[in-house]
Amino acid sequence: GQNIDQPTEMTATEGAIVQINCTYQTSGFNGLFWYQQHAGEAPTFLSYNVLDGLEEKGRFSSFLSRSKGYSYLLLKELQMKDSASYLCAVRSPRSSGYSTLTFGKGTMLLVSP
Amino acid sequence: DAGVTQSPTHLIKTRGQHVTLRCSPISGHKSVSWYQQVLGQGPQFIFQYYEKEERGRGNFPDRFSARQFPNYSSELNVNALLLGDSALYLCASRGADTYEQYFGPGTRLTVT
Repeated sequence: GQNIDQPTEMTATEGAIVQINCTYQTSGFNGLFWYQQHAGEAPTFLSYNVLDGLEEKGRFSSFLSRSKGYSYLLLKELQMKDSASYLCAVRSPRSSGYSTLTFGKGTMLLVSP
Repeated sequence: DAGVTQSPTHLIKTRGQHVTLRCSPISGHKSVSWYQQVLGQGPQFIFQYYEKEERGRGNFPDRFSARQFPNYSSELNVNALLLGDSALYLCASRGADTYEQYFGPGTRLTVT
């Protein structure tokens, strides 16, 4: 089965740093994605990790530990526009040979002034 | 370049009716996936199509069906609608040389 856990809600202050954790237990692993989703909009791609370690992209960084089934998304210099839901998704192979994404429930981040 | 497009944007149906949702992938993308997102939850995988063939199916009843056309656009059909089918239906396309899925704006379906 597939199980992906992330906190439901987090709050932070403008200019601060926040870390959103994600733990997963999946049958097969082909990579982990982080998406940002503003209310009423489609998810937009933030990062992709397939090997252990830290991937940095501007104000956003993502870390993966495959042995621990653990990832985090780090957001620096928070801005009001970062208030959104952050979705952790694991890419897993299927019997067809193709891979699909399994999403967590999302972490709602609220950035306050 | 145009992104993934979906139609309609919003739809209201009554229980028992059927609905057809449409998706056009990014030009050159041959893989299309459908997801259902209930309010407050993450997207849940429904179908994946590649080169007009079903490559994956999520844990959804047979009331849900889909197909992909020669131009790689796709339709999602839901029969005998239930109140619980009310959700945002997302379509995503992926190119052959990338892992990233690009999502469309979604179709908001309300079943009354």
